[in-house]
Amino acid sequence: GNSVTQMEGPVTLSEEAFLTINCTYTATGYPSLFWYVQYPGEGLQLLLKATKADDKGSNKGFEATYRKETTSFHLEKGSVQVSDSAVYFCALNRNTGGFKTIFGAGTRLFVKA
Amino acid sequence: DVKVTQSSRYLVKRTGEKVFLECVQDMDHENMFWYRQDPGLGLRLIYFSYDVKMKEKGDIPEGYSVSREKKERFSLILESASTNQTSMYLCASNPRGYQPQHFGDGTRLSIL
Repeated sequence: GNSVTQMEGPVTLSEEAFLTINCTYTATGYPSLFWYVQYPGEGLQLLLKATKADDKGSNKGFEATYRKETTSFHLEKGSVQVSDSAVYFCALNRNTGGFKTIFGAGTRLFVKA
Repeated sequence: DVKVTQSSRYLVKRTGEKVFLECVQDMDHENMFWYRQDPGLGLRLIYFSYDVKMKEKGDIPEGYSVSREKKERFSLILESASTNQTSMYLCASNPRGYQPQHFGDGTRLSIL
């Protein structure tokens, strides 16, 4: 079946450090891949997406590349800020049929000033 | 921008009560979803709906029911609330199954 595995947190970084949060997936067919972010006290919001192999999604300095050969969609940011402290969820949707989004367990990021 | 509005941010109820959580979206989306979020367990799908009056069970439907009488509104019902239903509840919607979901800010429900 379809599944998403992301690195366990929490991840603690100093401001301006480089961020990587690993995400790998298992899926039949050609899913769309997403990163969502959840700030304290809020719901999830879409951070970026990629709909086919080799696509790069980017937003707010975050990037992730859809790698079909390694079934991965790792989230990266070159220089994190305190305001990036949040929980990050990797997710996939099947492009053909089905309604469910499969979410990873979430990775909490703390950024220290 | 799509707006998904959940009727309460915080709610406290007693065991055995019938509890209604309301969700409204303003973008004419076909699909709506109810999740619960618990520490260490991530998001778990309770029910979803792909059309008015249509509903499908998610991964943890026991103890819950839903109602979708109008396209923009999706209600989650706890028939007889129990303490193990204390949780954060998130509503979401999307236009098609493969597209990103838009989430409300959540309802933190405590059952005493």
